[in-house]
Amino acid sequence: EAQVTQNPRYLITVTGKKLTVTCSQNMNHEYMSWYRQDPGLGLRQIYYSMNVEVTDKGDVPEGYKVSRKEKRNFPLILESPSPNQTSLYFCASSFRSYNEQFFGPGTRLTVL
Amino acid sequence: GQQVMQIPQYQHVQEGEDFTTYCNSSTTLSNIQWYKQRPGGHPVFLIQLVKSGEVKKQKRLTFQFGEAKKNSSLHITATQTTDVGTYFCAGRPLRFGAGTRLTVKP
Repeated sequence: EAQVTQNPRYLITVTGKKLTVTCSQNMNHEYMSWYRQDPGLGLRQIYYSMNVEVTDKGDVPEGYKVSRKEKRNFPLILESPSPNQTSLYFCASSFRSYNEQFFGPGTRLTVL
Repeated sequence: GQQVMQIPQYQHVQEGEDFTTYCNSSTTLSNIQWYKQRPGGHPVFLIQLVKSGEVKKQKRLTFQFGEAKKNSSLHITATQTTDVGTYFCAGRPLRFGAGTRLTVKP
């Protein structure tokens, strides 16, 4: 089944404790991206990747890192999480940047 | 940078009434995509519009792309409870509107 998977689905952590949210797709998509969703603000892009080893900042990259060492995986790294990073995070992939995006199920992160 | 504004933010309708959400951009868009997110779910792609003035239909849903490619609309005829959710537009380069949350009273 074609899908985008994210782990974990839920995470409660404390300020400053490094964490990684994994994202994987099995559709051989070139384009992958991370979004955060906050009430009233819609989906805001954090980082995106056009292909392996090619990543770029989205609209809200501060406090986040990503890597794209393999085509299928695009982890989101929070080196030192802060409470303002409490949000719902979605990973998405598409064949190219202008094609329809397939979203993962989301990761709800709470930073205390 | 490119801004994509979406209105209204919320819409509550009686089942059977029509619903429309509008998406407006400050710049010309290459294309526009529409997504639906059910409560507790993830966004799911509905459609993509590319051509100026394009109109596409999916059953009770009608999507329109403006002549100047700066605005778009999604119209649902005779809403049903299954239409509940948040509808997002996304202009290329990919920036999402804030979404319109639709609730339907049976």
